[in-house]
Amino acid sequence: QKEVEQDPGPLSVPEGAIVSLNCTYSNSAFQYFMWYRQYSRKGPELLMYTYSSGNKEDGRFTAQVDKSSKYISLFIRDSQPSDSATYLCAMRADSNYQLIWGAGTKLIIKP
Amino acid sequence: DAGITQSPRHKVTETGTPVTLRCHQTENHRYMYWYRQDPGHGLRLIHYSYGVKDTDKGEVSDGYSVSRSKTEDFLLTLESATSSQTSVYFCAISDQGVRETQYFGPGTRLLVL
Repeated sequence: QKEVEQDPGPLSVPEGAIVSLNCTYSNSAFQYFMWYRQYSRKGPELLMYTYSSGNKEDGRFTAQVDKSSKYISLFIRDSQPSDSATYLCAMRADSNYQLIWGAGTKLIIKP
Repeated sequence: DAGITQSPRHKVTETGTPVTLRCHQTENHRYMYWYRQDPGHGLRLIHYSYGVKDTDKGEVSDGYSVSRSKTEDFLLTLESATSSQTSVYFCAISDQGVRETQYFGPGTRLLVL
């Protein structure tokens, strides 16, 4: 079993819809949670960063961490075709600065 | 791509040949990483460096070696390439204070025949 599980998709939704992307994890020591976005044939770029539990909002994006359920989410409001990309979650523990990555979910926003 | 370049961007090689990939940064970041990305596996850490001449193994280091003789350069060497090393290789950098914010290069597509 992988430490971080992420549905590979693809997830296809119409423009303007609310998108929910999720990751589950098994290591209760994880404290730092990140979402990266990767466009086709590009390197990943950091989208959201959250420490410990709670929500964080940045424009149309909201990151949510539920440590009791070992579950993190990324919500995208008013989705745009330009949001079409692969979204990767990543996380790490306090004691280890190596990031553990999910496999990524491919998101397609249809105009 | 945050002042990170990778070379070559594409390479085709034959099984058994040595291959060296180069990562160059202009950000003066302390930490540098080499990842490989394969379908279904996401990003997997090969090796990382926390300073000049300071390197350590990651999750999938077998068959790979690295060197860092200058802050700005991090080399990844496949000693004897195998078909299982066909992948997209990404270099990343991070600052000392915010290690989880990693900035990625554009990637190198390697095909081992």
